[in-house]
Amino acid sequence: EVQLVESGGGLVQSGGSLRVSCAASGFIFSSYGMSWVRQAPGKGLEWISYVSSGGSAIYYADSVKGRFTISRDNGKNSVYLQMNSLRDEDTAVYYCARVVAEVTSGALEKWFDPWGQGTQVTVSS
Amino acid sequence: QSVLTQPPSASGTPGQRVTISCSGSRSNIGSHAVNWYHQLPGTAPKLLIFNSHQRPSGVPDRFSGSKSGTSASLAISGLQSEDEAGYYCATWDDSLNGWVFGGGTKLTVL
Repeated sequence: EVQLVESGGGLVQSGGSLRVSCAASGFIFSSYGMSWVRQAPGKGLEWISYVSSGGSAIYYADSVKGRFTISRDNGKNSVYLQMNSLRDEDTAVYYCARVVAEVTSGALEKWFDPWGQGTQVTVSS
Repeated sequence: QSVLTQPPSASGTPGQRVTISCSGSRSNIGSHAVNWYHQLPGTAPKLLIFNSHQRPSGVPDRFSGSKSGTSASLAISGLQSEDEAGYYCATWDDSLNGWVFGGGTKLTVL
């Protein structure tokens, strides 16, 4: 069974740092890109970061660029999100998701499947 | 404000057919397939539709997706009480170099 389990969330002061982790199982982790998506309380989904299967391609949303760092360890089947200079607006449930890619009609299409259960990050000022 | 535009709410009675729209632009929906996710209260999102119209195994054929130009839609026929959830469209945006989501539509089964 494909499974993603996040950990490392918690309460942190504004300006502080936190690292959340996502442990994968049930698939060949090194063959898939991974992403982090967050959801603020009562709000919608926001994509924040992506790392390719080998780690060579990394993308960030503007809202976290320069503050968050995504990384992965294929030997440990895990992906991480290092969050620095945390702000109140970073309070959210953080989900990791496997990125499935397929060439469709000449274009490389990608989607998230599955998602982990999420880990709560609360930034308090 | 989300890059993709969805109605914040939709509703229907059991057995009815409802559609949820998702509007974008040339750099996102106009250039890429749309994916739909649904989220039951208090749970993680799950993939519902990928490549604009394909269903993962296990998703009933009551759910269907379509795309035309810079808009997409999700249709749910034979509405059931367990369909009450949040629904999100998403796709890649070439200008932003990242994924964009709609703001989400909360579906209520009356």
